[in-house]
This record gives sequence, structure tokens and C-alpha cells, in this order.
Amino acid sequence: QVQLQESGPGLVKPSETLSLTCTVSGASISGYYWSWIRQPPGKGLEWIGYVSDSGRTNYNPSLKSRVTISLDTSMNQFSLKLSSVTAADTAVYYCARRTYSAQLDYWGRGTLVTVSS
Amino acid sequence: QSALTQEASVSGTVGQKVTLSCTGNSNNIGSYAVGWYQHISHGVPKTVMFGNSPPSGISDRFSGSKSGTTASLTISGLQPEDEADYYCSTWDYSLSTQVFGGGTKLTVL
Repeated sequence: QVQLQESGPGLVKPSETLSLTCTVSGASISGYYWSWIRQPPGKGLEWIGYVSDSGRTNYNPSLKSRVTISLDTSMNQFSLKLSSVTAADTAVYYCARRTYSAQLDYWGRGTLVTVSS
Repeated sequence: QSALTQEASVSGTVGQKVTLSCTGNSNNIGSYAVGWYQHISHGVPKTVMFGNSPPSGISDRFSGSKSGTTASLTISGLQPEDEADYYCSTWDYSLSTQVFGGGTKLTVL
């Protein structure tokens, strides 16, 4: 059974960097794109970006200047860093596995990150 | 402003059939298969349809279709456990991003 689990601080100060890790179990990193998606309170889903199994990245243009997604195949993990955060970055952050045909077939439970001083 | 347009809310009674729609353009829905994701409050989003194929384990009450730049998810024999937010999503080759609809809140009366 494929499982994804997000981890990281639930509170980040404004202007600092949000860092989250997604641990993948029950599946290999190979053959997929590993994605981050977020949902601000009361709003819909927003795609942040993905990293492929070869390390190639693709980011939402609206976040591209602040986002880094990376892969650690030895740990079967991938990570998100979002710099210079503001209150607008407060959201539930999900990690998900994306297939080549753009299906998001497995998701983590999500983790709430609040940006506040 | 979401790239894909969904109804904000849809409701139906137990046993009824409801259809949710997702409208995009030729750069996204017109070119790629559409995924439908069920999100029950505080739960894990779950794929209920990709293209016109439900993943294994998903009830055959769920069916999907597409006509041009509009995709649809039909739920037959509506059940209380179907109450959730439903999001559509696909790739947009012009934007080079994954795009989502704003979500439809399905209420089972």
C-alpha cells in the first residue's frame, strides 16, 4: 500500500522559509513525479510544483521565485522549501504522487502550516 | 481565479443521480485526461475517476466523461458517504502547470 506522510514545523514566522518533507512508503520513487499542493483556509487546491524521479523540477509560475522541491532517493523522501513566507502562505500542504499522465493517484493526509509571528 | 470552472455547490437526495461538471479550454481539458478527487473534510483527497476509468476500489456508481473542453463526473445512487468536496484537475500545456477547478461541494440531502 502506497503511503505518503508530510512532516515539518506547523508554525513559521513571516519572511522565513517554510520547509516540509514527504516520506514515501510502499513504493519506489522511480517512474513518477512527486508533487506538492496546498489549500489555504476556505479556498481551493493550488498546485505548487513537482520533482521527477530524475530530479527535474516544474513549479507554479506564481510561486517559482520562492520554491525549491528536491528529492532524496536514498531516504525515499522529497522536500519543499518556500522562502520569504507571508500570511498568504498559511495553508494545508499536501504531498502527492503524480503519474506521467498527470493523475494524482496517492496523497498524504496534509499538514497545516501557519505563518505568524 | 481557477483555470478550471466547477459548480460551487450541488445537492441531491439519497438514491438520486447527480452530475458535476468541469470546464476548461483546449490547452488543458481539451488535450489531457481529467482526474476527479474526492475530499472529505480533514481527510485524504482520493481519486474517484481518471479519464473515464475509476481506480480499483471505487464504486461503479461513479462514472466520468468528457466532451470537448468539459469533463463530467456522474454519481448514481447517491449515498450519504458521497458528501464531500470534489475537485477536477489536469495538465495545462500552455501554462506548463497542473491546474485545478475551484471545487464543488456536494451535499446529500
